[in-house]
Amino acid sequence: DADVTQTPRNRITKTGKRIMLECSQTKGHDRMYWYRQDPGLGLRLIYYSFDVKDINKGEISDGYSVSRQAQAKFSLSLESAIPNQTALYFCATSDLYGRDNEQFFGPGTRLTVL
Amino acid sequence: AQSVTQPDIHITVSEGASLELRCNYSYGATPYLFWYVQSPGQGLQLLLKYFSGDTLVQGIKGFEAEFKRSQSSFNLRKPSVHWSDAAEYFCAVGAASGGSNYKLTFGKGTLLTVNP
Repeated sequence: DADVTQTPRNRITKTGKRIMLECSQTKGHDRMYWYRQDPGLGLRLIYYSFDVKDINKGEISDGYSVSRQAQAKFSLSLESAIPNQTALYFCATSDLYGRDNEQFFGPGTRLTVL
Repeated sequence: AQSVTQPDIHITVSEGASLELRCNYSYGATPYLFWYVQSPGQGLQLLLKYFSGDTLVQGIKGFEAEFKRSQSSFNLRKPSVHWSDAAEYFCAVGAASGGSNYKLTFGKGTLLTVNP
């Protein structure tokens, strides 16, 4: 079984709809992250969480919110989706006590906002 | 703040040829450096990483990278490319000290095409 899972894998929605993307991990890591990937722009950090009580904004948090329901679960919400939020979204985890900051990525969620 | 530059947006090589993908970083302290690969329709897979020690690091799939502090570079190399190496490659740099060692900054990626 995959260590980092994301649901759904694909989603098409309409402008103005509320959308939630979910991430679960079985790696036992404390840190979790949400990124979006756009062609030619690489990965950009949306939000990150060091533990259940710690949530931090990344470089492009406007229009997004997150919830850390448990150590293993980190959800990303788009309260009112807009077309320029069409992107590939990745969840990642890392070990608080890891030496090298390696992040482990989920398979991604492709979101299309019409 | 750290930053990463991948100067080549798209590279095309012939199968069997050697490959070098460039990565330059900006960071004030000793960086943690990573190369990830993303195959079409897939997530990101770690190829290799550097955080201390030997500046020439070996990774999976026959890739290697060399950390050159004087040039602020971490170029990825492979002596003989296979068709299955066609993918997008991302270099990333992470902070290396204190409580802020949480964040990776990614380059914009280099798309590799392999011709038969």
